[in-house]
Amino acid sequence: DQQVKQNSPSLSVQEGRISILNCDYTNSMFDYFLWYKKYPAEGPTFLISISSIKDKNEDGRFTVFLNKSAKHLSLHIVPSQPGDSAVYFCAASGGAGSYQLTFGKGTKLSVIP
Amino acid sequence: GAGVSQSPSNKVTEKGKDVELRCDPISGHTALYWYRQRLGQGLEFLIYFQGNSAPDKSGLPSDRFSAERTGESVSTLTIQRTQQEDSAVYLCAESRVDTEAFFGQGTRLTVV
Repeated sequence: DQQVKQNSPSLSVQEGRISILNCDYTNSMFDYFLWYKKYPAEGPTFLISISSIKDKNEDGRFTVFLNKSAKHLSLHIVPSQPGDSAVYFCAASGGAGSYQLTFGKGTKLSVIP
Repeated sequence: GAGVSQSPSNKVTEKGKDVELRCDPISGHTALYWYRQRLGQGLEFLIYFQGNSAPDKSGLPSDRFSAERTGESVSTLTIQRTQQEDSAVYLCAESRVDTEAFFGQGTRLTVV
């Protein structure tokens, strides 16, 4: 039973446009959400996070939005750059096992020059 | 080094052999996790260490899998009698408690 779902395995966006990556979760105990970026042959790197007490967190070109009622979060990248091409993983933690990150399957973003 | 270091980076082994994967810690990071990513799948939690507390082994897929960590030092993940379905990238991650996890580059294990 997947608790964190990324329903789009891939996404292609033109350079300069906005990339929107979506993530849904089912566990209402999750209270901390993270996005990781992964290049081929490298481990995931932390990108941005959001606590459930907020609905938006912004860091440069990256903004994460959280809709708790819908159990949905999204990562916006604007403007998208070719170097953003990577696999993006959504992760969540919280509840009794608060240290454990539960990951989605990832979305492969391709930014076309 | 400044990052989490894993070795080997690649390992090819014959079915039925044992393998040992290594993770070198970042100083000051007390929590250590092992994850794996099989082809086409997300990151799958395996085991978690926090200081000297008993590890959370709830993610280990079978008793062929085991891991050790002494204090805040090196961790090893051992897979006995490897099977083809064990082929995956095994990722080690570390963090201070309640912060984001920092990942190593992973060990790509191929069981032939």
